[in-house]
Order: sequence, then structure tokens, then C-alpha cells
Amino acid sequence: NAGVTQTPKFRILKIGQSMTLQCTQDMNHNYMYWYRQDPGMGLKLIYYSVGAGITDKGEVPNGYNVSRSTTEDFPLRLELAAPSQTSVYFCASSSKTVSYEQYFGPGTRLTVT
Amino acid sequence: GDSVTQMEGPVTLSEEAFLTINCTYTATGYPSLFWYVQYPGEGLQLLLKATKADDKGSNKGFEATYRKETTSFHLEKGSVQVSDSAVYFCALLTGNQFYFGTGTSLTVIP
Repeated sequence: NAGVTQTPKFRILKIGQSMTLQCTQDMNHNYMYWYRQDPGMGLKLIYYSVGAGITDKGEVPNGYNVSRSTTEDFPLRLELAAPSQTSVYFCASSSKTVSYEQYFGPGTRLTVT
Repeated sequence: GDSVTQMEGPVTLSEEAFLTINCTYTATGYPSLFWYVQYPGEGLQLLLKATKADDKGSNKGFEATYRKETTSFHLEKGSVQVSDSAVYFCALLTGNQFYFGTGTSLTVIP
């Protein structure tokens, strides 16, 4: 099993550009999450999903969009990138029965200049 | 709102020293509590958990006890190793949402 995979690993965007961060898990987990981690800070939840077709906002959803058309994939869309979105983005998943144990991807380091 | 506060770092210890990283929480209801660890260049990994008051979570020599009366979940290890060098995050789960602390960086020197 690959677990949770994220692409790309690194990306530099110019202000106003858009991009999609990809996240895929092969553990058949119902729950998936997107977090951002700013330097010296904890993780902040952006969006989460409890199953295909169901998404909900976390603490910091502004400037982001998500979709969940399959169990495996949970892409995060950034529209009109801003310097405040410079961060490391982590995708995570967990099963419905053991929802507390999240499995994290390796992260995407995004810089907006 | 719900939140987690953990002690600031960085923490530097000699090998075999005793470790304590403090964590307190604010939550409505009855959250579950966790410690996650992040090694350099990697995502977070679950270290231990406690799902109700007075539970003790333990793993790899680390321990933490869910104290409802003091709203705390302090992480301890009796004898740290160089391989324990990492960032440690306290977290709580309420409903479907996790709330993470800011992380405490630990460096263990030989």
C-alpha cells in the first residue's frame, strides 16, 4: 500500500495564479482532510470530507475549494493565489471505525510570490 | 472555541534525560486527546491516544494521561534517545474535527 500520496512536492506560484493540489489514498478510508502548516505553527484544518460527495469547511477555508467525487481522491483547489497561502499543505485520511488515527501524506510546500 | 495549548520549544535534552512536554486543552463536551510526532521532512504520525478521562496512552516509551480536572494531557518519557528528535503535536478530536497545538521541537543530543 502506498498510503496517502500528494502531488506535487513543491510548487511556486505567482500571485493570482490557480492550482490544484492532488491527494490520493489507497486504504479505502471514508474520511479525508486538508491541513495547512505555517512556520512555527500547528496544523489548521482547511476542509474535510466524510465520504464521496460530502465535504465541509474547517477552520480556515477561505481561498480554497475541494471536491470528493471518489473515495480515493480529495483534491484541493487554490483560486487566485495570495502570499498568505504560502504554507506546507498536508492531506490526511482515516477510517470511519478508527477515525482518530489519521494517516498523513508527505506534504506539499507551496510558495506564492 | 475548542483549542490546544502546548509548551513552547525548542527543547534540547541530553540522551537518557527525562522528557515532559505540557499540553492543556479547552473543549466543550468530551474530546479525545492525542499526541502526534513529525520527523523531519515527513507527515505527522500518531504516537498515542486517550479517549476518556483518566485513560493513559502509551507507545514507544512515551506516556500521557487524560486529566479532566486539570484539562491536561502532558507527554512524558523517562529516557529519551537521539532518535526521538522530532516535533511533537498535541491534538484533540471533537466531532469530526481535529485541533492541533503549535508543536514542540525536541532535539536530543548524544
